[in-house]
Amino acid sequence: EPEVTQTPSHQVTQMGQEVILRCVPISNHLYFYWYRQILGQKVEFLVSFYNNEISEKSEIFDDQFSVERPDGSNFTLKIRSTKLEDSAMYFCASSEAEGAWYGYTFGSGTRLTVV
Amino acid sequence: GQNIDQPTEMTATEGAIVQINCTYQTSGFNGLFWYQQHAGEAPTFLSYNVLDGLEEKGRFSSFLSRSKGYSYLLLKELQMKDSASYLCAVKELTGGGNKLTFGTGTQLKVEL
Repeated sequence: EPEVTQTPSHQVTQMGQEVILRCVPISNHLYFYWYRQILGQKVEFLVSFYNNEISEKSEIFDDQFSVERPDGSNFTLKIRSTKLEDSAMYFCASSEAEGAWYGYTFGSGTRLTVV
Repeated sequence: GQNIDQPTEMTATEGAIVQINCTYQTSGFNGLFWYQQHAGEAPTFLSYNVLDGLEEKGRFSSFLSRSKGYSYLLLKELQMKDSASYLCAVKELTGGGNKLTFGTGTQLKVEL
């Protein structure tokens, strides 16, 4: 079964450092998403991406965050200057289409710890 | 915006049936999805409803009433491995397209 793959699985970084989280969506999917989940809290939407553009972003997705699809397969989330409160599990997801009948497939996540 | 409510915790016995309820309020409803999430892992898709009624998928069924803003997930023949968090997620039409928003999840504990 096709999978969304994310690397690394764990990342520890110092506060103020830049991190790049990487994702390879399912190959025939066109819509890409990043979510995060702080320990013990709900899964929160960060950003959606289609046709090389951000479709929508949440209040969490401020100027410290950016996304990119640098080639035909990767989809990255960059945090420019990490803060302690950025510590969370970050999930990438993709979807074949946007209609009501299409769900999202999630990757296994990157656990980001900011120290 | 959205408001999605589901119980925080539930406990059930192995072999039994459990129903996890979800209520929601949204201005642009475009589907309701149920995901299972084990601790430290990704959400995995279980079931979805777009139209009113019951959708059955093996041991899992999901029901939707759009007029009531209500859904439930029914798990039959519970197994110990079903102990997990069950996430109700609503797909909403927004200015940018569609967005899937999650509830806080219901932590289900299956006991012997």
